[in-house]
Amino acid sequence: EPEVTQTPSHQVTQMGQEVILRCVPISNHLYFYWYRQILGQKVEFLVSFYNNEISEKSEIFDDQFSVERPDGSNFTLKIRSTKLEDSAMYFCASSGPGVAGRSGANVLTFGAGSRLTVL
Amino acid sequence: AQKITQTQPGMFVQEKEAVTLDCTYDTSDPSYGLFWYKQPSSGEMIFLIYQGSYDQQNATEGRYSLNFQKARKSANLVISASQLGDSAMYFCAMREGITDKLIFGTGTRLQVFP
Repeated sequence: EPEVTQTPSHQVTQMGQEVILRCVPISNHLYFYWYRQILGQKVEFLVSFYNNEISEKSEIFDDQFSVERPDGSNFTLKIRSTKLEDSAMYFCASSGPGVAGRSGANVLTFGAGSRLTVL
Repeated sequence: AQKITQTQPGMFVQEKEAVTLDCTYDTSDPSYGLFWYKQPSSGEMIFLIYQGSYDQQNATEGRYSLNFQKARKSANLVISASQLGDSAMYFCAMREGITDKLIFGTGTRLQVFP
């Protein structure tokens, strides 16, 4: 079954350092997303990406965050200067129109997540 | 106001029994979709079931069914014949209108015991 892959699975970094989280979405998907989950809390939307541009972003996704699709397969999330409160599990997801479930559902397939620990 | 409310932080169920996980939602958009995801201890998010606001019938996927009560704005997940492997966090989520984002609830931790 096709899957979304994320690397690294766990990254530890010092506050103020730049971090890049990588994702390989499902190959025929058109929509890409980043979500995060602070330990013990709910999953929060960060950003969605379609047709090589951001289609929607949350208030969490401030200027220190950026996303890129540098080639036909990878989708990256960059945090320029990490803060302690950026420690979380970061999930990449992808979807395509009417992929699964009912037509029009646009179901998101999530990766296994990248755990970021900022010290 | 919370868009998605899951009032049960934890639930216990005996193996082979059925269990219902509650989810209520709040939206004024007539077009929306409701999703349930499972998150086992390994951390990944696994799609379980989807219900569209215009769907006439309750969604079913194997042992999972969604008890969709539109007037009450509830979308409860029913797991029949629970298995030990069903022990996980379960998240209800909603997409409104044409927006891309999913809004998640706080989750319910289900523990299945023998």
